[in-house]
Amino acid sequence: QSALTQPASMSGSPGQSITISCTGTNSDVGSYNLVSWYQQNPGKAPKLIIYEVNERPSGVSNRFSGSKSGNTASLTISGLQAEDETDYYCCSYAGDKTYVFGTGTKVTVL
Amino acid sequence: QMQLVQSGPEVKKPGTSVKVSCKASGFTFTSSAVQWVRQARGQRLEWIGWIVVGSGNTNYAQKFQERVTITRDMSTSTAYMELSSLRSEDTAVYYCARRFRYGFDSWGQGTLLIVSS
Repeated sequence: QSALTQPASMSGSPGQSITISCTGTNSDVGSYNLVSWYQQNPGKAPKLIIYEVNERPSGVSNRFSGSKSGNTASLTISGLQAEDETDYYCCSYAGDKTYVFGTGTKVTVL
Repeated sequence: QMQLVQSGPEVKKPGTSVKVSCKASGFTFTSSAVQWVRQARGQRLEWIGWIVVGSGNTNYAQKFQERVTITRDMSTSTAYMELSSLRSEDTAVYYCARRFRYGFDSWGQGTLLIVSS
């Protein structure tokens, strides 16, 4: 299984919106509405912020939203804040009870 | 609250094995599924495999199929990940996490494994 492809870095000014893409294949992202997104601060464990493409766990800000089209899933961060500056990873179910993570995106708030 | 507490850092020589533990609390362990993920320094998250605690059924990423074994002890609410034939490329932080729907919502603090001669 190859890693899902994410942009290495993205940036935006406070208050702006950014959208992080996560591109897979017909065997993973394209076949299942089972993409999750994680926020990971340096030296910390990942935190689930989106599951099943567009569902938010309790307690996660509604500034985070997810979507999917074809083989590409997306995470949108609205109203960008300084605290959003960190790493983000997507993850997709890949069939046969396996999962695959993305390459990761470092978000910078200008 | 839900918590996963992992065992401490390990230093191993190439060719040997390591067994990392992940003790669960705050949720019904026997009804859960636990995955294992690793992350080399500065690198991406990499999915290793998972176990359905109640049945003991496991699934592994093809890359690790021959070298990894995930088990659980329901009496102590602990999951284990054993990796054999260690090589320097296995140096990484290893995480356990609880499955929630098709995401993973509670993570251990991570266990650093260093493989060095």
